[in-house]
Amino acid sequence: EILLTQSPGTLSLSPGERATLSCRASQSVTNNFLAWYQHKPGQAPRLLIYDASNRATGIPDRFSGSGSGTDFTLTISRLDPEDSAVYYCQQCAHSPLTFGQGTKVEIK
Amino acid sequence: EVQLVESGGVLVQPGGSLRLACEASGFTFTNYYMNWVRQAPGKGLQWVAIIERDGSEKLYVDSVKGRFTISRDNARNSLYLQMDSLRVEDTAVYFCAGGLGWTTEHWGQGTLVTVSP
Repeated sequence: EILLTQSPGTLSLSPGERATLSCRASQSVTNNFLAWYQHKPGQAPRLLIYDASNRATGIPDRFSGSGSGTDFTLTISRLDPEDSAVYYCQQCAHSPLTFGQGTKVEIK
Repeated sequence: EVQLVESGGVLVQPGGSLRLACEASGFTFTNYYMNWVRQAPGKGLQWVAIIERDGSEKLYVDSVKGRFTISRDNARNSLYLQMDSLRVEDTAVYFCAGGLGWTTEHWGQGTLVTVSP
């Protein structure tokens, strides 16, 4: 099983600032099949990034993904108050399809 | 508009059984792998199971193997999760989610399953 470790646990930033979220895998993720999701309370999770660096349909270009192998990053270039949420990475290459524990982004 | 609507979540006693359903619309269901993902109270997301587009292959997280069964009816654009021998730790919101590959692009709003004496 591939374990995903996200850091930091919580990120507290002001609108307009840059957020950098990390996801580290316990072993290499084949073909960089790594996705990022945004999840707000009471809502369906939303796919942001797939295959490490591809933005999903309708996702603003403020969101970008990078990385390969075992180290991946989600960057939100200019935070908006609506970006307040928990962000999860998920490896989609090996069963079981594991998620990281999440990073909570708070907007001051 | 893509829609995934889950149903079937209720309060059930430990050891009991439950069947969740998910009705899909707005996309070609037969082209999509379908998953169940859950979120226990105060916890993160946990992948539960995935089923191949034609139902030929099914994979599960270890904690539900032998107790849960994922299935689909492509004629009805529907996904199911049969949950047997339920445990308190199965208490969670269960999301139905689908993707063209193993990445989940579309998600439902979830249905709450509570396992309690």
